[in-house]
Amino acid sequence: RKEVEQDPGPFNVPEGATVAFNCTYSNSASQSFFWYRQDCRKEPKLLMSVYSSGNEDGRFTAQLNRASQYISLLIRDSKLSDSATYLCVVNIGGNQFYFGTGTSLTVIP
Amino acid sequence: DTGVSQDPRHKITKRGQNVTFRCDPISEHNRLYWYRQTLGQGPEFLTYFQNEAQLEKSRLLSDRFSAERPKGSFSTLEIQRTEQGDSAMYLCASSPQRAFYEQYFGPGTRLTVT
Repeated sequence: RKEVEQDPGPFNVPEGATVAFNCTYSNSASQSFFWYRQDCRKEPKLLMSVYSSGNEDGRFTAQLNRASQYISLLIRDSKLSDSATYLCVVNIGGNQFYFGTGTSLTVIP
Repeated sequence: DTGVSQDPRHKITKRGQNVTFRCDPISEHNRLYWYRQTLGQGPEFLTYFQNEAQLEKSRLLSDRFSAERPKGSFSTLEIQRTEQGDSAMYLCASSPQRAFYEQYFGPGTRLTVT
């Protein structure tokens, strides 16, 4: 079983829409959680960390549900520039980071 | 540009040849990671260095793979006797001591084994 699972999409949404991605992780001992963004043919970049209490950064909100072992990312008021692949990342402790396969988002004008 | 750099950006090699990739991390970052990414997949962890010490290696890293980070600065990843299955993007990332989870990725080296 994979450590991290994501719906690959693609998600095609109109500008201004709200879109949510979920990600599940298999190891209950997982300690740290993150969302990375990867543009086509580019390297991944850290979007935000995910805290137990949930956290918000502008139009982006990340939440963690430890009981159900899932992480979510909500994007409000989608912009064309939000089109990318969003990678869910889990750290189980130590220095290994497990990346999901990514969820592809295309924001349509 | 003071980001993570990787060299070469592209490498085409014939099966059975050896290849070596280089990664130069952000200068003040003591942590360095190597990942492999294939099409449609997320990056897969290969190995991790803290300064010059290689502290973790994935089971994905067969005997044909070796990585070094002499003097805790740049790192090299060598693949011996390449196989077609080694074709992938090899990504390097570094992170600072104070925020180990903030990984900064380089542009990657795309390896094609023919």
